[in-house]
Amino acid sequence: GAVVSQHPSRVICKSGTSVKIECRSLDFQATTMFWYRQFPKQSLMLMATSNEGSKATYEQGVEKDKFLINHASLTLSTLTVTSAHPEDSSFYICSARLADNEQFFGPGTRLTVL
Amino acid sequence: GQNIDQPTEMTATEGAIVQINCTYQTSGFNGLFWYQQHAGEAPTFLSYNVLDGLEEKGRFSSFLSRSKGYSYLLLKELQMKDSASYLCAVMDSNYQLIWGAGTKLIIKP
Repeated sequence: GAVVSQHPSRVICKSGTSVKIECRSLDFQATTMFWYRQFPKQSLMLMATSNEGSKATYEQGVEKDKFLINHASLTLSTLTVTSAHPEDSSFYICSARLADNEQFFGPGTRLTVL
Repeated sequence: GQNIDQPTEMTATEGAIVQINCTYQTSGFNGLFWYQQHAGEAPTFLSYNVLDGLEEKGRFSSFLSRSKGYSYLLLKELQMKDSASYLCAVMDSNYQLIWGAGTKLIIKP
């Protein structure tokens, strides 16, 4: 299957700092990527849909000025958590959708904000 | 509203067969996915059904009935490594995945 990578896999930061998470499709071009957040023992929550070359579409309740998404190329989308706070600590997962609607996930990034 | 229902937790014995059900009500339908997720890891793709019927892939099979809004994931010859959460997700008319809360499967020796 298609491979999606994320970097970093784990990050610990101080409150108030910004963190950038990269999501790459390694062997295919993805016009659409998705960013999810998952709190412990809860289901995946879609944060935003990222389309190459255009602004991301955010789900209700997700602050677009806090979670900046850039999808500059067909193989790379980035999520920047700005001015992170402890409540932003979570597991952030990206996915990329193929033309046949299959969706492949990156390994996830565990963010801990102290 | 959109809704995906699956059992919260199931227990099965190593070597046995288990069926995890999923019912859905969504605005439009563009396919149903099953994912496996081990604790602390991202989901991994198991199956995709868009037409009615049974899709078999090794020890795992997935069934879909669009008229009933129903799917199941069948796991045969259970192994201890199959202990995980199994997520059912439906792609709606906007091509977005609507997620169930997941079924935690516990395999006992």
